[in-house]
Amino acid sequence: SAVISQKPSRDICQRGTSLTIQCQVDSQVTMMFWYRQQPGQSLTLIATANQGSEATYESGFVIDKFPISRPNLTFSTLTVSNMSPEDSSIYLCSVAGGVGYTEAFFGQGTRLTVV
Amino acid sequence: GENVEQHPSTLSVQEGDSAVIKCTYSDSASNYFPWYKQELGKRPQLIIDIRSNVGEKKDQRIAVTLNKTAKHFSLHITETQPEDSAVYFCAASNIQAGTALIFGKGTTLSVSS
Repeated sequence: SAVISQKPSRDICQRGTSLTIQCQVDSQVTMMFWYRQQPGQSLTLIATANQGSEATYESGFVIDKFPISRPNLTFSTLTVSNMSPEDSSIYLCSVAGGVGYTEAFFGQGTRLTVV
Repeated sequence: GENVEQHPSTLSVQEGDSAVIKCTYSDSASNYFPWYKQELGKRPQLIIDIRSNVGEKKDQRIAVTLNKTAKHFSLHITETQPEDSAVYFCAASNIQAGTALIFGKGTTLSVSS
C-alpha cells in the first residue's frame, strides 16, 4: 500500500496568482499522476510525472499552465499558474501500478477556489 | 489512449431495489477495473475492483462483472439503502504497467426510502 500526504487541503486564491500543491508518498514510486475534478464532474488526468524526465501532459493541459516537478521518487508538485475562476476544482495526486501494487492510491485532495 | 464510457449518468431507485451501472473501455491492454464511491465533499473511495483474469467478484451487497471480449464491466448493488446514495465512478488501467486510471463520467445514484 501507499500513504500519500497532499498539501494544502484547501486554499482560496486571487485570480492571476499561482498555487503549488505538494504530494509526498511514503514509498518510492516510478510514476505519479495528477488529476483535476471540476465541480460536479469526474476525475480528469492532467499529467503523468516521471522522476528524471519531463511530465507527460494529457490533451488540453499544457506545461505553462500546470508545471510539474518530480525531484525524487517520493515527491511531486503541481503548480496551477495564472489562475482564473475556471481553475476552481479539486486537484488530486495518485500513485498506481507496478510491482507490488494491487490498487491505486490517492492523496486527500486540494480544494482550490479562485476568486 | 484509454477511453471509458459510463451509463447511466443518473439513477434513482427505491430502497431495497437493485442498481446496475455499466461501463465500457477501449484499450484491450487494460487489466484493472475499480469502482469508486464519492460522497459530497470527500475524495473517491474504492469500493470494489476486478482484474482481467476474473469474470465476477462479490463483496456483500456489491458485485462487479467483467466481459473482456465486449470490453465492458458493470457494478451491481443489491438491496440498496439510502446510504448508498452517492456518485459512483468506474475506471480502467493497466495496473501492472502502472498506467494512470482513466475514469468514466460518473453516475449519481439516489436511493429513496
